[in-house]
Amino acid sequence: GAVVSQHPSWVICKSGTSVKIECRSLDFQATTMFWYRQFPKQSLMLMATSNEGSKATYEQGVEKDKFLINHASLTLSTLTVTSAHPEDSSFYICSASRGYTEAFFGQGTRLTVV
Amino acid sequence: AQTVTQSQPEMSVQEAETVTLSCTYDTSENNYYLFWYKQPPSRQMILVIRQEAYKQQNATENRFSVNFQKAAKSFSLKISDSQLGDTAMYFCAFSATSGTYKYIFGTGTRLKVLA
Repeated sequence: GAVVSQHPSWVICKSGTSVKIECRSLDFQATTMFWYRQFPKQSLMLMATSNEGSKATYEQGVEKDKFLINHASLTLSTLTVTSAHPEDSSFYICSASRGYTEAFFGQGTRLTVV
Repeated sequence: AQTVTQSQPEMSVQEAETVTLSCTYDTSENNYYLFWYKQPPSRQMILVIRQEAYKQQNATENRFSVNFQKAAKSFSLKISDSQLGDTAMYFCAFSATSGTYKYIFGTGTRLKVLA
């Protein structure tokens, strides 16, 4: 199957700083990528849809100024958590779709804000 | 709007036995895909099996099979000959073929295979 690489796997940052998470599709071009947030023992909550060359589409309740998404190329999408606070600590997962038949997921990033 | 419901938060099964995980969904779409994903402790999402809504035949992948009842909007996963490595969270997911390939996930079922 296709490979989606997410980096970093884990990050600890101080409250008030910004953190960037990268999501790369290594062997296919992804016009659309997705960013999810997962709380402990809970499901994946879709945060936003990242579209190459255009603005991201955010789900209701997700602060677009807090979670900045950039999809600058067909193989890279980034999620920047700006002015992070402890409540932003979570597990973030990206995925890239190759049509409707399957989504490929990154390994996830565990963010801890102290 | 589409919804996916998994009514079994936790389940356990003895090694080598068979277990069935339930999933129901709601949609007004005619064409869509349904998926079961496995999330082991590593938290990497792994596709277990997928079903195209227009196909009446139930999908099968080795020890994994589904019971897809389109009229009832039901999509259960059967795991045969359960193995210790099957211990994981299992998520049912829906994706419409119209729109943005967006996936809607159920709340998950934590499966524990007992030795």
